[in-house]
Amino acid sequence: KAGVTQTPRYLIKTRGQQVTLSCSPISGHRSVSWYQQTPGQGLQFLFEYFSETQRNKGNFPGRFSGRQFSNSRSEMNVSTLELGDSALYLCASSPHVSLRVGGYTFGSGTRLTVV
Amino acid sequence: ELKVEQNPLFLSMQEGKNYTIYCNYSTTSDRLYWYRQDPGKSLESLFVLLSNGAVKQEGRLMASLDTKARLSTLHITAAVHDLSATYFCAVDGGADSNYQLIWGAGTKLIIKP
Repeated sequence: KAGVTQTPRYLIKTRGQQVTLSCSPISGHRSVSWYQQTPGQGLQFLFEYFSETQRNKGNFPGRFSGRQFSNSRSEMNVSTLELGDSALYLCASSPHVSLRVGGYTFGSGTRLTVV
Repeated sequence: ELKVEQNPLFLSMQEGKNYTIYCNYSTTSDRLYWYRQDPGKSLESLFVLLSNGAVKQEGRLMASLDTKARLSTLHITAAVHDLSATYFCAVDGGADSNYQLIWGAGTKLIIKP
């Protein structure tokens, strides 16, 4: 059974550019969540999607956006990159928002470096 | 607002010793998760605790949940170097928080040979 797949694994971007990260959840999982992890702020929730609808959103500026497709794959986009956006971005999937008895399964993450 | 506190945030210990990491949370929840993260890696699910009194064990790690005390513990028995990692607990906020998981800050565990 394939796990959560995130692409790309590593990315280097220049300040002011935009970036799109991709996440393919475990087959059958309809809930996808995104997290940003930095040494200073720790693990911070970005947003959660279920059946193509955003159900939860963390406290991030509008430069951070996401979407989910009908096949449950999700993308997140960061526009006008800032140095502080350098982080490990983690995607996690679960079968159902309210039946998360198994918890999340995380992908390997995308390491974004903004220079 | 549901808050989750882990302590200690940093723990350095010798191999062979026992220790406990604590996870306190501020409102009612009966679902709690423990994850492990190695440096530069993703999070790996360790335990899922779904009811009061739940106890799960895997190797040298044992997790328990007391929903009345709003407390979970992760106990390490006879620590070995391979257990060095950062450990996170996360609490399911339920319907009140739209089923969002609330995370602790993590406990960085270093086990010295």
